[in-house]
Amino acid sequence: DTGVSQDPRHKITKRGQNVTFRCDPISEHNRLYWYRQTLGQGPEFLTYFQNEAQLEKSRLLSDRFSAERPKGSFSTLEIQRTEQGDSAMYLCASTPLARETQYFGPGTRLLVL
Amino acid sequence: KNEVEQSPQNLTAQEGEFITINCSYSVGISALHWLQQHPGGGIVSLFMLSSGKKKHGRLIATINIQEKHSSLHITASHPRDSAVYICAVPTYSGAGSYQLTFGKGTKLSVIP
Repeated sequence: DTGVSQDPRHKITKRGQNVTFRCDPISEHNRLYWYRQTLGQGPEFLTYFQNEAQLEKSRLLSDRFSAERPKGSFSTLEIQRTEQGDSAMYLCASTPLARETQYFGPGTRLLVL
Repeated sequence: KNEVEQSPQNLTAQEGEFITINCSYSVGISALHWLQQHPGGGIVSLFMLSSGKKKHGRLIATINIQEKHSSLHITASHPRDSAVYICAVPTYSGAGSYQLTFGKGTKLSVIP
């Protein structure tokens, strides 16, 4: 399967712990997006990479959130000092350059206790 | 006011019914996306359209750029169509950055 993959699929953590999620985009997709989706809401844009460059990060929810894409392939999203309000589905999507259709991964569902 | 608004929020239909989901947006766009999200979270892109109408199987999407309105229609609905349908519009920021702004979604339940 060559779709977008995310790991882990589910994560339960205690408040105050750090968590890191990984996204592997479709091979050769230049653009990679992170979104957050809370219950009953549509996805909310967090950040965006074009190759290894993070071109938009102003929508990251706080300075506890950070993302990397060090070699322009997979990406990680880290949340430090998690809070209960961080509980959500975290979605990753990728797209080739100059295309607009985004291909979504299955998401990582985070529960902060 | 949300930039992308969908109606209805919830929709229950009998199998075989014709279904319409509406999306209105206030931001300028080049194309509008319709997406399907099944329980469990996976999102699939259904359509991307910038004018007129597109059809794929029993799904039809239309858009009116002047009125900033799009509709998704499902003909001969089936229980397997039960999902959340989300519309999204692209917005652009500096450095060529492109992102999607999503509606809240319409939860469709098709009853046998």
